[in-house]
Amino acid sequence: AQSVTQLDSQVPVFEEAPVELRCNYSSSVSVYLFWYVQYPNQGLQLLLKYLSGSTLVKGINGFEAEFNKSQTSFHLRKPSVHISDTAEYFCAVSYTGFQKLVFGTGTRLLVSP
Amino acid sequence: DTAVSQTPKYLVTQMGNDKSIKCEQNLGHDTMYWYKQDSKKFLKIMFSYNNKELIINETVPNRFSPKSPDKAHLNLHINSLELGDSAVYFCASSPWDLTKISGANVLTFGAGSRLTVL
Repeated sequence: AQSVTQLDSQVPVFEEAPVELRCNYSSSVSVYLFWYVQYPNQGLQLLLKYLSGSTLVKGINGFEAEFNKSQTSFHLRKPSVHISDTAEYFCAVSYTGFQKLVFGTGTRLLVSP
Repeated sequence: DTAVSQTPKYLVTQMGNDKSIKCEQNLGHDTMYWYKQDSKKFLKIMFSYNNKELIINETVPNRFSPKSPDKAHLNLHINSLELGDSAVYFCASSPWDLTKISGANVLTFGAGSRLTVL
């Protein structure tokens, strides 16, 4: 069965520092990968997606992620975070489409001044 | 113009009551979903409908009954509410066919409905 692991439940970081949020998925031949962000008391918003092609994917708000097939990872990065990036971040994986999208347990990014 | 809208945003009710949450999408998507997010932020799919037809029905008590009158609407009715039903319920929609994904035309979520059962 497909699964997603986000090892870090919480990542504290200072403003303007770089950050990496880790995501690993169970292995498969082909996979679709997504990162979603949830700001407090809001729904989930798509940050970026990998369907095929270039392994480095750029998203909104300066975030990017790299698909690494050999390590079955899809880590999210941002070179310099802002206070407004404080939110919950969810990695999600599917092998067949949105109908079977499986979410990780989320990583709470806490940005402090 | 809200893409996926759900009502009510907040719902506080007593154990044993029956309640409904409504969802509408104006994105022209074929598929709609209900997700449940618990107090630990864990997000789990409950149901998926494609063109009014039930596609996914995860292990959910049969007190939960989704209804899709047309492909733009998916409502969730919950009978005999229990304390453990307290959660945030998210409606979402997406294209059925992944090849139709472009730009923001992906799995799109509503703002959530926070249900509190007392």
